[in-house]
Amino acid sequence: DIQMTQSPSSLSASVGDRVTITCRASQSISSYLNWYHQKPGKAPELLIYAASTLQSGVPSRFSGSGSGTDFTLTISSLQPEDFATYYCQQSYSNPPTFGGGTKVEIK
Amino acid sequence: EVQLVESGGGLVQPGGSLRLSCAASGFTFSSYTMNWVRQAPGKGLESVSAITERGGDTYYLDSVKGRFTISRDNSKNTLYLQMNSLRAEDTAVYYCAKGHRRDGYSHWGQGTLVTVSS
Repeated sequence: DIQMTQSPSSLSASVGDRVTITCRASQSISSYLNWYHQKPGKAPELLIYAASTLQSGVPSRFSGSGSGTDFTLTISSLQPEDFATYYCQQSYSNPPTFGGGTKVEIK
Repeated sequence: EVQLVESGGGLVQPGGSLRLSCAASGFTFSSYTMNWVRQAPGKGLESVSAITERGGDTYYLDSVKGRFTISRDNSKNTLYLQMNSLRAEDTAVYYCAKGHRRDGYSHWGQGTLVTVSS
């Protein structure tokens, strides 16, 4: 199975900050990488698929980059509704494994 | 509007069975791969099973192979997960999710809690 490692596991940031989350795959996954966020008690929501394609309806402050084994999710200006846990998921092969999550908290 | 509504969760003893359902609306159900994803209390996400549009191809997490069966009824716009020989480690919120993994899971239900305990 492909292992996905996210860093950091948590971070504290203020509204308006630029935030970057990293995801590393245990082997090359080309650009088959999705990003989700999940608010407490809610289902996850898709933000980005294929490493850099913004899902319909997702604000443009979210962006994704990377290929091969190293990927990043960037929030250009953190908003109050962005405080959540973020997950990457490789979609290269089954099982479609998720990273352990990055909790973004209010500073 | 896409809606996915799970049902069928609950408390079951180890070794018992449950059948989860996911009622879909707001899209052409028969045109999409569907998935079950679970989340143990306080833990991360785990893709459990997937089924292609006509049910011709399925995927299972290794730890549930031989115990769980995914199916769908396109005439009823409903996805199912039959769970047998349940174990404590199957305790989780189970979500159904729409879409092939390559496109990301674009829509999710609200989840149904399965608790395996004596």
